[in-house]
Amino acid sequence: EPEVTQTPSHQVTQMGQEVILRCVPISNHLYFYWYRQILGQKVEFLVSFYNNEISEKSEIFDDQFSVERPDGSNFTLKIRSTKLEDSAMYFCASSEQGSSYEQYFGPGTRLTVT
Amino acid sequence: SQQGEEDPQALSIQEGENATMNCSYKTSINNLQWYRQNSGRGLVHLILIRSNEREKHSGRLRVTLDTSKKSSSLLITASRAADTASYFCAPVIQGAQKLVFGQGTRLTINP
Repeated sequence: EPEVTQTPSHQVTQMGQEVILRCVPISNHLYFYWYRQILGQKVEFLVSFYNNEISEKSEIFDDQFSVERPDGSNFTLKIRSTKLEDSAMYFCASSEQGSSYEQYFGPGTRLTVT
Repeated sequence: SQQGEEDPQALSIQEGENATMNCSYKTSINNLQWYRQNSGRGLVHLILIRSNEREKHSGRLRVTLDTSKKSSSLLITASRAADTASYFCAPVIQGAQKLVFGQGTRLTINP
């Protein structure tokens, strides 16, 4: 069964460093998402992406964040200058046809900022 | 707000019993989705019910939707230890490109 994959599974970085989290969505899906979950808290929406542009973003997704689909298979989340409060699980998801359809989530990348 | 509120916050039952979780929301929706999350893992889609549907089944899962009361329920029959997880509802409004999750219901199945 097709699945969303994410790399790395765990990333440790120092405050102020740039990180790139990578995702490979399901191949025939057209909508891509990033969510995050701070330890012990609920899953929060960050951004949705369709047709090579951001379709919706949350207040969390400020200028320090960016997303890109550099080729036909990868979808990346970049945090330009990490802060301690960016420590969280980051989940990528994809959907065949947007919010009227279910989203398939990857296993997540645990980001630890020290 | 698009967010759903799950109730109860925690539920502990014996293996083999049925588990019922409820979800309330405040806006008109296009569909409502239920997801499961095992501790520290990604979310797994369980079932999607559209606003014009009242009930939907998938294996041991039964979901109902009452748009007049803005509520949904998820029933898991004949529970198993592997059903231990957190369960989330995600009401989706027309045109939204995101899922908004609440705190979920933490379900524990005791052997």
